[in-house]
Amino acid sequence: RKEVEQDPGPFNVPEGATVAFNCTYSNSASQSFFWYRQDCRKEPKLLMSVYSSGNEDGRFTAQLNRASQYISLLIRDSKLSDSATYLCVVSGTGFQKLVFGTGTRLLVSP
Amino acid sequence: EAGVAQSPRYKIIEKRQSVAFWCNPISGHATLYWYQQILGQGPKLLIQFQNNGVVDDSQLPKDRFSAERLKGVDSTLKIQPAKLEDSAVYLCASSPVDRSQGGNTIYFGEGSWLTVV
Repeated sequence: RKEVEQDPGPFNVPEGATVAFNCTYSNSASQSFFWYRQDCRKEPKLLMSVYSSGNEDGRFTAQLNRASQYISLLIRDSKLSDSATYLCVVSGTGFQKLVFGTGTRLLVSP
Repeated sequence: EAGVAQSPRYKIIEKRQSVAFWCNPISGHATLYWYQQILGQGPKLLIQFQNNGVVDDSQLPKDRFSAERLKGVDSTLKIQPAKLEDSAVYLCASSPVDRSQGGNTIYFGEGSWLTVV
């Protein structure tokens, strides 16, 4: 079983749609959780951290379910500029080892 | 603030040749990472340094890959001899140690794109 699993997509949605990505992780001792965004042929960049209580940043909402070892990202009112690959990232304790999922590709069309 | 610098950006080599990539992390960042990202996959950690010491190199193919960070600042990743399956983007990243300084956030360079033919 992979440490971090994501549906690779692609998810094709029209502008204005709401889309949700899911991610599961295998290490129950994982401490920190993130969503990174990666544009085509670019480096990954931090989108948002994921907190146990859930958190929101504008149109983006991230949630964590520790019992089910499940993380989600919700994007509301999708924009063309949201087209990218969204990487689920999990870290354990100690020296901040980060494990990346394979990413979920999102394509927002006019 | 200057970001993570990497060079070269692009490299094409024949199999069995060698190649070296260089990385200069963000100033003051104690932790440096090398990731390999094959097309269509997420980044895979090759090696992680804390200052000039290795803390994780469990996924580094040590028969052909080597990395060093001699003075705890910049780093070099070498592949010798290269194989076709080494074609990938090699991403260097850095992060501060202190959580109050965003210690769990890592910052990536633009990557070094390697094609082995």
